[in-house]
Amino acid sequence: AQSVTQLGSHVSVSEGALVLLRCNYSSSVPPYLFWYVQYPNQGLQLLLKYTTGATLVKGINGFEAEFKKSETSFHLTKPSAHMSDAAEYFCAVSDRVSGGSQGNLIFGKGTKLSVKP
Amino acid sequence: DAGVIQSPRHEVTEMGQEVTLRCKPISGHNSLFWYRQTMMRGLELLIYFNNNVPIDDSGMPEDRFSAKMPNASFSTLKIQPSEPRDSAVYFCASSRLLNEQYFGPGTRLTVT
Repeated sequence: AQSVTQLGSHVSVSEGALVLLRCNYSSSVPPYLFWYVQYPNQGLQLLLKYTTGATLVKGINGFEAEFKKSETSFHLTKPSAHMSDAAEYFCAVSDRVSGGSQGNLIFGKGTKLSVKP
Repeated sequence: DAGVIQSPRHEVTEMGQEVTLRCKPISGHNSLFWYRQTMMRGLELLIYFNNNVPIDDSGMPEDRFSAKMPNASFSTLKIQPSEPRDSAVYFCASSRLLNEQYFGPGTRLTVT
């Protein structure tokens, strides 16, 4: 069965610094991988996704993630943090083994990103 | 597109009362998901539907919870009777292709 591990429940960076949020997955089939962001008092919003093809995926707000099969990782990065990036970030893998039911995602426990001025 | 619509946005009720949460998925999406989010347990999948049919309800906490999807544009999550431990934010999400889910704004439920 698929699973997702996000290392670090809280990450704090200074404004302008590199953002790195870690995600490792377990999957018995080629995975579809996702990053979602949740701002306070809002629902989850898709940042980016990897399905097939290019392993470096660019998303909204300057974020990108790289699929590394050998490391079973899908870490999220942004070169320069902005105050508006403060939010909770969720990594997810699709549950493609469960008999073809479309769209069931397995979410990690989330990483809260704080950005210091 | 209007996105996923949930109502009400906030609900405060007393223990023992029935609570009904509503969701309108994005038009053309054929999968619908109900999640619960709390500080203690994080984001939990309660149930999901494909083409209006419940596929997996293993996340539904107990018989007090029930969900229906009478048509492609409407779903309800009902709690009867409600208990204080049901207090959480409940999200509805829908999807069509490539497992990409779109989330609604959530319903914040408080049971006193």
